[in-house]
Amino acid sequence: NAGVTQTPKFQVLKTGQSMTLQCAQDMNHEYMSWYRQDPGMGLRLIHYSVGAGITDQGEVPNGYNVSRSTTEDFPLRLLSAAPSQTSVYFCASSPAGTGYYGYTFGSGTRLTVV
Amino acid sequence: ELKVEQNPLFLSMQEGKNYTIYCNYSTTSDRLYWYRQDPGKSLESLFVLLSNGAVKQEGRLMASLDTKARLSTLHITAAVHDLSATYFCAVDKGGSEKLVFGKGTKLTVNP
Repeated sequence: NAGVTQTPKFQVLKTGQSMTLQCAQDMNHEYMSWYRQDPGMGLRLIHYSVGAGITDQGEVPNGYNVSRSTTEDFPLRLLSAAPSQTSVYFCASSPAGTGYYGYTFGSGTRLTVV
Repeated sequence: ELKVEQNPLFLSMQEGKNYTIYCNYSTTSDRLYWYRQDPGKSLESLFVLLSNGAVKQEGRLMASLDTKARLSTLHITAAVHDLSATYFCAVDKGGSEKLVFGKGTKLTVNP
């Protein structure tokens, strides 16, 4: 049981490049989310999904796309990277009725945009 | 708009002492979470608080929730160095599964 797996762990992009951050979970969780963590800002929600085929925007969605074709995978796409997207990105998942179990977080992807 | 405020943001304490971290939030919510993060690591779930008056304890940490006051506390008893980390509270935005996090409290426990 691997939990929530994020790849890559580190990435450097040039401004304007695109890339996809991968997130996979093997716990059959319905809910999956992407957060970014910046110094002194806590974590902020980018996008989330309550099930396959269903996604919605969070607090800071601009510049990011998501899709959820399977229960297991929830990739985050950066369309045209900007230095402001330099951050640590965390994927999280939870079963329905999250209140009882909380969220499980992946190990994070540290992204630098130059 | 839901806002979550933690204080203090930085806390330096001596081993053996007690202290409390406070988490205030601005709108009604029945779910509050506490997480721990070590430097360069992911977030580890500590407590899930679901109802008014909920109290949970694990080792030297105890968390409580007062939904009427929109306040949660994380109390540290007889701190030890291993508790040094950043602690986050997070509130579920009205059952929407959207978590709003506080900015975190960086705790340093000195010998």
